[in-house]
Amino acid sequence: SAVISQKPSRDICQRGTSLTIQCQVDSQVTMMFWYRQQPGQSLTLIATANQGSEATYESGFVIDKFPISRPNLTFSTLTVSNMSPEDSSIYLCSVEGLTQETQYFGPGTRLLVL
Amino acid sequence: GEDVEQSLFLSVREGDSSVINCTYTDSSSTYLYWYKQEPGAGLQLLTYIFSNMDMKQDQRLTVLLNKKDKHLSLRIADTQTGDSAIYFCAESKTGGYQKVTFGIGTKLQVIP
Repeated sequence: SAVISQKPSRDICQRGTSLTIQCQVDSQVTMMFWYRQQPGQSLTLIATANQGSEATYESGFVIDKFPISRPNLTFSTLTVSNMSPEDSSIYLCSVEGLTQETQYFGPGTRLLVL
Repeated sequence: GEDVEQSLFLSVREGDSSVINCTYTDSSSTYLYWYKQEPGAGLQLLTYIFSNMDMKQDQRLTVLLNKKDKHLSLRIADTQTGDSAIYFCAESKTGGYQKVTFGIGTKLQVIP
């Protein structure tokens, strides 16, 4: 499976600020995904990021709030903009597996907004 | 629509078998997954099954799929304290290229 790293691993931020989360993969992948896990909840897909095209957002998520970059086949960023306490979550990136049957997840970024 | 349901909590004694159950609603689900999340960690893919299979065994893990009832289960044999974690059931129509839909997770507590 791919080795996925995320930075930062955790952060505490003030409301109204923005945070950019980085996701780095040790091999080239076609698809990268960003999920959110709110406290005590399941994972929800925010958007899918393809290299060379704009990200595709799921219902309820918009580009102004969660801009995503995908500059190459091993890297992506997710920005959480104008944060409020409701944005306190774990944000995880994932990539498709070698056989394309699975997704593998990074360790997550734990965000607390005060 | 897609929905994955699972119970919130399971407690077992060390050495016993654990069975975590899951139901899903989307009959077009092609891949069904079990992920494990330990405290403070990301998601680890434990195992998965293709929808045309009814059973898959991998060491201490056995996955059973009843496609007619849309029911998936994960059996952990000889449960150890290191198995204490949250277990997520998940499904996907096309595998790794599209959205994976997750259940809320079952917290497994292993009592020594």
